[in-house]
Amino acid sequence: NAGVTQTPKFQVLKTGQSMTLQCAQDMNHNSMYWYRQDPGMGLRLIYYSASEGTTDKGEVPNGYNVSRLNKREFSLRLESAAPSQTSVYFCASSDIAAGAQPQHFGDGTRLSIL
Amino acid sequence: AQTVTQSQPEMSVQEAETVTLSCTYDTSESDYYLFWYKQPPSRQMILVIRQEAYKQQNATENRFSVNFQKAAKSFSLKISDSQLGDAAMYFCAYRTGTSGTYKYIFGTGTRLKVLA
Repeated sequence: NAGVTQTPKFQVLKTGQSMTLQCAQDMNHNSMYWYRQDPGMGLRLIYYSASEGTTDKGEVPNGYNVSRLNKREFSLRLESAAPSQTSVYFCASSDIAAGAQPQHFGDGTRLSIL
Repeated sequence: AQTVTQSQPEMSVQEAETVTLSCTYDTSESDYYLFWYKQPPSRQMILVIRQEAYKQQNATENRFSVNFQKAAKSFSLKISDSQLGDAAMYFCAYRTGTSGTYKYIFGTGTRLKVLA
């Protein structure tokens, strides 16, 4: 049971470099999400994709772009990394069926930007 | 906009004792869902318990239970018989949105320490 898989787990970048974080889920979920987690601030939504072919901004989208490649995959791109983007990034997915559907999370990517 | 507040940045509990973590939220919606997640040092996000707002009965999962007070917009987590493995960050989350466009809003978390 893979669930939600994120790659890489760790990455160090220099300011100005670009990078794409990959996320894939095997639960046939329609919705996928990208969060960042910073100390004392909980999880903040960067972008989400309610279904294949759609993406929407979350609370903190500046400096990021996303691509919903297909139903399984949702990538997050940093075009020109900045030290303020040092964080732990989580990808999550959820079902849109009625009921208390929780999110399922990947193991996170620790990203450091020097 | 909906908000979720966890006012206790850190809590401590003796092993085998009971602890309650607080969560309040603000919303104008009448139908919604609430969740508690546990994040141990491994960084994984693990679902602990969930509650449907239309259900008056409080959810329970083994040693974990909630005190859901809809009018007060309060959703606290009670951990009974605390174990060393319960030490973690705990996040309260609210699910908003219409079918197909759900968003989840998280509190800032409470770090739980379990003392042997």
